[in-house]
Amino acid sequence: DIMMTQSPDSLAVSLGERATINCKSSQSVLHSSNNKNYLAWYQQKPGQPPNLLIYWASTRKSGVPDRFSGSGSETDFTLTISSLQAEDVAVYYCQQYYGFQWTFGQGTKVEIK
Amino acid sequence: DVQLVESGGGLVQPGGSLRLSCAASGFTFSNYWMSWVRLAPGRGLEWVANIKEDESERWYLDSVKGRFTISRDNSKNSLYLQMNSLRGEDTALYYCARHNFASPLEYWGQGTLLTVSS
Repeated sequence: DIMMTQSPDSLAVSLGERATINCKSSQSVLHSSNNKNYLAWYQQKPGQPPNLLIYWASTRKSGVPDRFSGSGSETDFTLTISSLQAEDVAVYYCQQYYGFQWTFGQGTKVEIK
Repeated sequence: DVQLVESGGGLVQPGGSLRLSCAASGFTFSNYWMSWVRLAPGRGLEWVANIKEDESERWYLDSVKGRFTISRDNSKNSLYLQMNSLRGEDTALYYCARHNFASPLEYWGQGTLLTVSS
């Protein structure tokens, strides 16, 4: 199984400041056949289902604000919120969909400082 | 609009069984893979199982293999999760989600709560 480890577990950022979440996979999720990283990011607010933000490591889903961006390749990935807004308070998860058994990171809780 | 509505959750004793359902609407159900994902207290999200459009492929989390069975009825636009030999660690909010082959979970339902306790 591919293990996903996020850091930090939680972070508090001032409004308008940058938030950075890291995600590391135990093996590469870069598929050689198409040069795509099978890595997604989700946002989950209290009482709501998860919401897909980023897929293929860096492609923003339609409708997601451009302050959210994803980067990285193979085993190391980052989700950046360039200017934190109050509505961004949530738990963020990375997920690999490389193999047939999918795994999530443990989640990172983002709060306002 | 895509809609996924889970049902069937409840309180079950350890060792018991339950079947979850997910009713899909707003899209051609038979054209998509479907997954079950759970959110356990203090444990984050965990993918449980997924199923191909025609049921010819099914994949499971190791800890549920042999106990859970994912299935679908394309004529009823419905997804199911039969859960047997339930354990306390299966307690969670269970979501169904739509996706394409080897693609992220694009649409999610609101979830149905399973509690396994004596």
